[in-house]
Amino acid sequence: KQEVTQIPAALSVPEGENLVLNCSFTDSAIYNLQWFRQDPGKGLTSLLLIQSSQREQTSGRLNASLDKSSGRSTLYIAASQPGDSATYLCAVSRGRYSTLTFGKGTMLLVSP
Amino acid sequence: NAGVTQTPKFRVLKTGQSMTLLCAQDMNHEYMYWYRQDPGMGLRLIHYSVGEGTTAKGEVPDGYNVSRLKKQNFLLGLESAAPSQTSVYFCASSYQLEVGGGDYNEQFFGPGTRLTVL
Repeated sequence: KQEVTQIPAALSVPEGENLVLNCSFTDSAIYNLQWFRQDPGKGLTSLLLIQSSQREQTSGRLNASLDKSSGRSTLYIAASQPGDSATYLCAVSRGRYSTLTFGKGTMLLVSP
Repeated sequence: NAGVTQTPKFRVLKTGQSMTLLCAQDMNHEYMYWYRQDPGMGLRLIHYSVGEGTTAKGEVPDGYNVSRLKKQNFLLGLESAAPSQTSVYFCASSYQLEVGGGDYNEQFFGPGTRLTVL
C-alpha cells in the first residue's frame, strides 16, 4: 500500500527566506506527483504536477523536483511571503485513472 | 468557467438520516473523485468515476454510494449517516493526456462540504 509522508509537519519562517518542503513515498511505481496548497477552510489549489518521466517543474517562485527511484520530492519556495502561509499537500497517483494518495501536509507560516 | 462546484457547503445531520452531496464540473472532464478529509488522517479517496455511468470504490467506500448519470455531475450519498462520517468532503475532476510518452492527469478540486453528524 502506498504511503506518503511529509516533513516537517509545521514550519515557521520569517518573510524572505527560501524554504524546502519534503515529501516521500514508499512505492516508486507512480504516474504523477502533484503539489497542492490549501488555505484554512478552503479547497485544494493545484500548484505543480510532475510526470513520472520528469525530474522537476517550475512555476514562478515554486520549484518541485522528483526523484522516483528514491521515492522523494521536494517543493522549493523562493523568497517566501506572508501570502504563502497555508498547508502544502503532496499527492502521488498510481494507475491509469490516477487516483491520488495524499500526505498529511506541511503547515507553513511566513511572518512579516 | 465555474470549475468544480459542490452543494451544499455545510450540513448538519442526525444519526440515521440520509443525504446526497452534489458535485458539478463544467470542464468536460472524464474523471471525477470524492475524497474525505479528517484531522490527522489527511485526504482519503471514497469513490471515483472514469466516465458517465461508471463508478469504482476507493480506499474508504463503506457507508457511501455514488452515481454518475451525467458526465458533469457526480453524486455522493449517505443512506444512514453515522457520527464517524463527520468530515469535510471534497470532489475533484480531471482530464488525462498522453504527454511525452506518459500520462498527464491533473486533478482540480471543489471548495468542499463540511458535514456534521450528531
